Amino acid sequence: AQSVTQLDSHVSVSEGTPVLLRCNYSSSYSPSLFWYVQHPNKGLQLLLKYTSAATLVKGINGFEAEFKKSETSFHLTKPSAHMSDAAEYFCVVSAMDTGRRALTFGSGTRLQVQP
Amino acid sequence: GAGVSQSPSNKVTEKGKDVELRCDPISGHTALYWYRQSLGQGLEFLIYFQGNSAPDKSGLPSDRFSAERTGGSVSTLTIQRTQQEDSAVYLCASSLGAGPSTDTQYFGPGTRLTVL
Repeated sequence: AQSVTQLDSHVSVSEGTPVLLRCNYSSSYSPSLFWYVQHPNKGLQLLLKYTSAATLVKGINGFEAEFKKSETSFHLTKPSAHMSDAAEYFCVVSAMDTGRRALTFGSGTRLQVQP
Repeated sequence: GAGVSQSPSNKVTEKGKDVELRCDPISGHTALYWYRQSLGQGLEFLIYFQGNSAPDKSGLPSDRFSAERTGGSVSTLTIQRTQQEDSAVYLCASSLGAGPSTDTQYFGPGTRLTVL
């Protein structure tokens, strides 16, 4: 069994300030972890993916995430927010479970960027 | 290259009618997934196809929902006798495979279904 918890349903930051979107997971197997972004009325776009190659993963648009096994966390960060970053962000866990690929989405975090 | 495509982009139907939603995955992708995203909700897994294996239907909410994948490519999600609670955005995704290096899912733009 696996689960994902996004700790904040809404995050509001000012343009130019850092972004932190928090995600904790649980999985019985070695998971792949993803962050996806969904802009209003748009499809889901992959931001980044963690497998096991490196604990710090760099994604598109200046985002990165750090895998911390001891804390079972995979928080998403960006040093400086841009207005175009306003969107919904989903943390996702993917693992093989009883022979099938099981994908579990977090409930999402809505990021607001204030001018 | 071409991404995942879905049709129609919007579908309005009357309660009790049947609807078919189509998904064209990325060429060469062996895995295909259907999800549902209701207003203000996260993504709900519906069904998963992997190659020639039997599909994983564990997420289908009722027997009114069914899906097939013909020739290992195009998939159709069918909802029979639609209800108002079926109103949602239906998302399709595909991945190259199911292993840790091939399981990245690429999503289509979705079909917005409205049941009146």
